[in-house]
Amino acid sequence: DVKVTQSSRYLVKRTGEKVFLECVQDMDHENMFWYRQDPGLGLRLIYFSYDVKMKEKGDIPEGYSVSREKKERFSLILESASTNQTSMYLCASRPLGQPQHFGDGTRLSIL
Amino acid sequence: SQQGEEDPQALSIQEGENATMNCSYKTSINNLQWYRQNSGRGLVHLILIRSNEREKHSGRLRVTLDTSKKSSSLLITASRAADTASYFCATDGGSNYKLTFGKGTLLTVNP
Repeated sequence: DVKVTQSSRYLVKRTGEKVFLECVQDMDHENMFWYRQDPGLGLRLIYFSYDVKMKEKGDIPEGYSVSREKKERFSLILESASTNQTSMYLCASRPLGQPQHFGDGTRLSIL
Repeated sequence: SQQGEEDPQALSIQEGENATMNCSYKTSINNLQWYRQNSGRGLVHLILIRSNEREKHSGRLRVTLDTSKKSSSLLITASRAADTASYFCATDGGSNYKLTFGKGTLLTVNP
């Protein structure tokens, strides 16, 4: 079974901090994704990566950046955390044309 | 932007009844996927239907796709309390790497 592991289930940070969310997959998938999920808004794509060192903006990239130095790891970075970035963050991976496999999510609170 | 839109937003039924959720989308697709999300967890892939397929079954799940109407439905037969979850459709346009998710239907199955 594919395993997508997010480094933290719950995280509390302060406004202005630089925050790193880590995601690791164990199936050599080319594509990896970061979403945020908010009540009433569904899943919104922040960034995705289709290969090592390759990235593309999703629908809501502002305030975020990503890093993919190795195929199995995709990091989401909040450069200067703000309270409106309090949310559930979901990482996913997939081979092209196949369903996505999701991690369990990180519930991030920015105080 | 969200392409898949689920209907209804929320559905409450009794155990043993059937549950039907609908998804509409706007542009052409390569395939359409349904996912389930238990509260506070990541999404789990349920079933994928390709654009040249009209119906697909998996256990108690039945998915239909009508590309002329740009719509899909997910039927869960003989529902159980454990089916309580949010259900999302996601469209795969095939020309890029990402899926586009709807906002989901919250299904509650009462024992």
